[in-house]
Amino acid sequence: NAGVTQTPKFRVLKTGQSMTLLCAQDMNHEYMYWYRQDPGMGLRLIHYSVGEGTTAKGEVPDGYNVSRLKKQNFLLGLESAAPSQTSVYFCASSSPIMDEQFFGPGTRLTVL
Amino acid sequence: AQTVTQSQPEMSVQEAETVTLSCTYDTSESNYYLFWYKQPPSRQMILVIRQEAYKQQNATENRFSVNFQKAAKSFSLKISDSQLGDTAMYFCAFVPGAGSYQLTFGKGTKLSVIP
Repeated sequence: NAGVTQTPKFRVLKTGQSMTLLCAQDMNHEYMYWYRQDPGMGLRLIHYSVGEGTTAKGEVPDGYNVSRLKKQNFLLGLESAAPSQTSVYFCASSSPIMDEQFFGPGTRLTVL
Repeated sequence: AQTVTQSQPEMSVQEAETVTLSCTYDTSESNYYLFWYKQPPSRQMILVIRQEAYKQQNATENRFSVNFQKAAKSFSLKISDSQLGDTAMYFCAFVPGAGSYQLTFGKGTKLSVIP
């Protein structure tokens, strides 16, 4: 039981490049989330999903897209990376019958 | 919109002593959940303790306990017998009930345990 995993763990991009972050969970959770964490800030919700095939915007969605084609996977895409997207990205998942969110180990992204 | 405020950016405590981290929140919801998460240097987010707003009894998990004051919208974390492994960022978080699971985090308190 790996819990929540994220790929990759580190990435450096140039401005304008695109990339996709992959989140996978093996706990059969319905809900999945993408957060970003910046220095001096808590985690802020980017997008979330309440089930396969559904997505919704969180607090800071601009510049990101997401997809939930399979229940266990939640992808975060950056179509044209900007330096303001330099951050640590966390994925999380939860069950509708429990309030606790389980977090992945994070991805450190640097955009030059 | 919900807000969570942690007024102590940094704190330190001597090993084996007790420390209290403060958190206040603002919400119009009557039923909600509150959490304290720990983030050590490894970056992993770890749930320390949770409190359901409808429960009057304060939650306790081993050396960790909370002081939940619903009327004052206050949710402080007390760590007893502090250990070196408690050195971490601590985040207070809030989620409204009724099927919403969007966590709102405070900005965190950096706790250092001094040998």
